[in-house]
Amino acid sequence: GEDVEQSLFLSVREGDSSVINCTYTDSSSTYLYWYKQEPGAGLQLLTYIFSNMDMKQDQRLTVLLNKKDKHLSLRIADTQTGDSAIYFCAESMGLGGGGNKLTFGTGTQLKVEL
Amino acid sequence: GAVVSQHPSWVICKSGTSVKIECRSLDFQATTMFWYRQFPKQSLMLMATSNEGSKATYEQGVEKDKFLINHASLTLSTLTVTSAHPEDSSFYICSVGQSSNQPQHFGDGTRLSIL
Repeated sequence: GEDVEQSLFLSVREGDSSVINCTYTDSSSTYLYWYKQEPGAGLQLLTYIFSNMDMKQDQRLTVLLNKKDKHLSLRIADTQTGDSAIYFCAESMGLGGGGNKLTFGTGTQLKVEL
Repeated sequence: GAVVSQHPSWVICKSGTSVKIECRSLDFQATTMFWYRQFPKQSLMLMATSNEGSKATYEQGVEKDKFLINHASLTLSTLTVTSAHPEDSSFYICSVGQSSNQPQHFGDGTRLSIL
């Protein structure tokens, strides 16, 4: 079955860049996502990328996809204390409709220190 | 604004009680909704896919008689945890698939604590 792995914890200083990594096993994954979860809250979609893309940039966020190695990363530039949260990568065969299930990674706890 | 409304946000009840959680799609009709469960410091695990007007599709290992799902309209799916016990305590989150070219939107989750 599908397996999505992330490192558990990342600590960075405020103002530095954060890079959160994710590896997945299902080569048929078509869409890959990054979600943010703050304590006690639901999931906030940050960005997603289609599998035929190598990179997607959205303001401070840059997503890199290496489809050959099945490796996805999220770079947060100028990391702020408000970025402290758990970040989940996820994959699916399709987007929201049509019953396309998301498989989530194990989550990375990002801690931003002053 | 919010696309998905989940209610209640927090429930504390006695063992043996049945608890109903609602997931509403606010801006669009949703034929498909998803229910996830999250244990503390763990990832989200898909429990079931809720299909409007038909039976839900449950993931392996999820008891359908324990977790009743009803998707009676295009904007509302409910998850009922029947005869809840302390091991059912968890964070339950729903998501809604708007269309085939839009990603899923998540509710804010329901924290269920069974005493």
